[in-house]
Amino acid sequence: DIQMTQSPSTLSASVGDRVTITCRASQRINDWLAWYQQKPGKAPKLLIYTASTLESGVPSRFSGSGSGTEFTLTISSLQPDDFATYYCQQYKSYPLTFGGGTKVEIK
Amino acid sequence: EVQLVESGGTVVRPGRSLRLSCTASGFIFDDFAMHWVRQAPGKGLEWVSGISWNSGHIDYADSVRGRLTISRDNAKNSLFLEMNSLTTEDTAFYYCAKDISSSSFNAFDFWGLGTLVTVSS
Repeated sequence: DIQMTQSPSTLSASVGDRVTITCRASQRINDWLAWYQQKPGKAPKLLIYTASTLESGVPSRFSGSGSGTEFTLTISSLQPDDFATYYCQQYKSYPLTFGGGTKVEIK
Repeated sequence: EVQLVESGGTVVRPGRSLRLSCTASGFIFDDFAMHWVRQAPGKGLEWVSGISWNSGHIDYADSVRGRLTISRDNAKNSLFLEMNSLTTEDTAFYYCAKDISSSSFNAFDFWGLGTLVTVSS
């Protein structure tokens, strides 16, 4: 199975900050990677797929990059609505696997 | 508007069985693969199983293989998860999720609100 490792597990930041979350895959996954945002008590929401394609309706302050084994999710200017937990997911091979999550907290 | 509504979650004793359902609307159900993803309370996301548009491709997480069975009824826009030999490790919110593709498994662009399965004696 492909293991997905996210860092950091928790991140404290302020509104307006630039935030970067890293996701590393235990094997090469090309660009078969998605990012999700989840708020407490809610279902996850797709932000980005194929590593850098922004899902329709997602604000342009979110961006994704990377290929192979190392990927990043960047929020260019953190907004109050962005405080949430973020997960990466690989779909290069089965079983599909998620990273452990990164919680973005208010500093 | 895409909607996915899960049902069937409840409290069940270890070793028993349960069937979850997901009713879809707002899109052409048999054009897309579908999945079950679970989340234990306070924990991360775990993909459980996926099924292609025509049920020709099915796969499971190792933790549930042989105990859980995914199926779909395209005529009824419905997805199912038959759960057998339940253990406390299966306690979680179970989400139904729509794939962005029809046959291979990819990212999930719509999710239901989830249904809670609690396995407890």
